[in-house]
Amino acid sequence: GAVVSQHPSRVICKSGTSVKIECRSLDFQATTMFWYRQFPKQSLMLMATSNEGSKATYEQGVEKDKFLINHASLTLSTLTVTSAHPEDSSFYICSAKGLAGGTGELFFGEGSRLTVL
Amino acid sequence: SQQGEEDPQALSIQEGENATMNCSYKTSINNLQWYRQNSGRGLVHLILIRSNEREKHSGRLRVTLDTSKKSSSLLITASRAADTASYFCATDSLPQVNAGNNRKLIWGLGTSLAVNP
Repeated sequence: GAVVSQHPSRVICKSGTSVKIECRSLDFQATTMFWYRQFPKQSLMLMATSNEGSKATYEQGVEKDKFLINHASLTLSTLTVTSAHPEDSSFYICSAKGLAGGTGELFFGEGSRLTVL
Repeated sequence: SQQGEEDPQALSIQEGENATMNCSYKTSINNLQWYRQNSGRGLVHLILIRSNEREKHSGRLRVTLDTSKKSSSLLITASRAADTASYFCATDSLPQVNAGNNRKLIWGLGTSLAVNP
């Protein structure tokens, strides 16, 4: 199956700093990537949908200026958590769809655990 | 927003037994997908069943879909300790007008499966 690489897998930062998480599709071109947040023992919460070369579409309640998403190429999308605070600590997961949508399945990265001190 | 509901929320069985998880949803769908998530990891696509299909098999997995009841079940036969994970259903719901490749999945809350050796 298609491979999505997410980096870093774990990051610890101080309150007020910014953290960038990268999501790369390694063996296919991803026109669409989805960014999720997951709290312990809970389901996925969609944060935003990013398309290559255009602005991301954010879900209601997700702050655009707080969670900056850039999808500069067909293989890379980044999520930057700006001025991070302890409440931003969470597990962030990206997923990607290939060109033409394929069968509709999503390919997920391994997730990034963010801890803000 | 989440619309899927899985039951049970948690399931503990012995190796060799079968595990059945159920998923209910609220709107019409294009397809329904099942994913697996090992603790602290990303999600892995298991199987996709289209709205015009009633049953699908993949190895030890069997998925059924009842669109009249808006429900699906995932059966894992002859379970192994390595099957221990959380299992999520996700629906490609209708309508998503003009969504194109940005079609979002609606996620269930997940079933936590523990298979004891």
